[in-house]
Amino acid sequence: GAVVSQHPSWVICKSGTSVKIECRSLDFQATTMFWYRQFPKQSLMLMATSNEGSKATYEQGVEKDKFLINHASLTLSTLTVTSAHPEDSSFYICSAIPGQGYGYTFGSGTRLTVV
Amino acid sequence: GESVGLHLPTLSVQEGDNSIINCAYSNSASDYFIWYKQESGKGPQFIIDIRSNMDKRQGQRVTVLLNKTVKHLSLQIAATQPGDSAVYFCAENYAGGTSYGKLTFGQGTILTVHP
Repeated sequence: GAVVSQHPSWVICKSGTSVKIECRSLDFQATTMFWYRQFPKQSLMLMATSNEGSKATYEQGVEKDKFLINHASLTLSTLTVTSAHPEDSSFYICSAIPGQGYGYTFGSGTRLTVV
Repeated sequence: GESVGLHLPTLSVQEGDNSIINCAYSNSASDYFIWYKQESGKGPQFIIDIRSNMDKRQGQRVTVLLNKTVKHLSLQIAATQPGDSAVYFCAENYAGGTSYGKLTFGQGTILTVHP
């Protein structure tokens, strides 16, 4: 149990287009989900905290108008990279907390390449 | 855009040796610590965690040591196997006795196990 599913696992898009990444909790409800970005050979950097039914909380330096987060249900949060540019190419990972005893569970990540 | 790359520390060991991976954390108020293993192109996988009221915790082939005085964590892997080759991250969290807060990840260490 306690699986976080992320889709797609990889995507290539043209510069200027938008891309949506989905993060689903498969067998539990998640009022809070977290979105991270990871560049090659670097650590995970928290981008934002996604809260079901309310606005996301963004970390300092993360453009909220560029990285749109929607957490419309207790099992789904989406991250939309708007007007993507090559510098947005990265590995995006979501996580959620299934409950006491599980800690943080991570999705398998989405490799975004903007060409 | 992408940050100037920081090269992750590396640790190379022979199969069967014990491995020790170190991590310095930043927030003296952090009260929950986790070690993750990340294989190429995948999300982080939970290994072991420890709360600040403990200084040692053991799992299957792994041991985490916490030294709050110097804000240092270590992960010991016994009888390291080629399948243990991956990047290892420590993460810290301040839960404050309420719900889980956000995780802050350390730099990461690349572990390579030679047969």
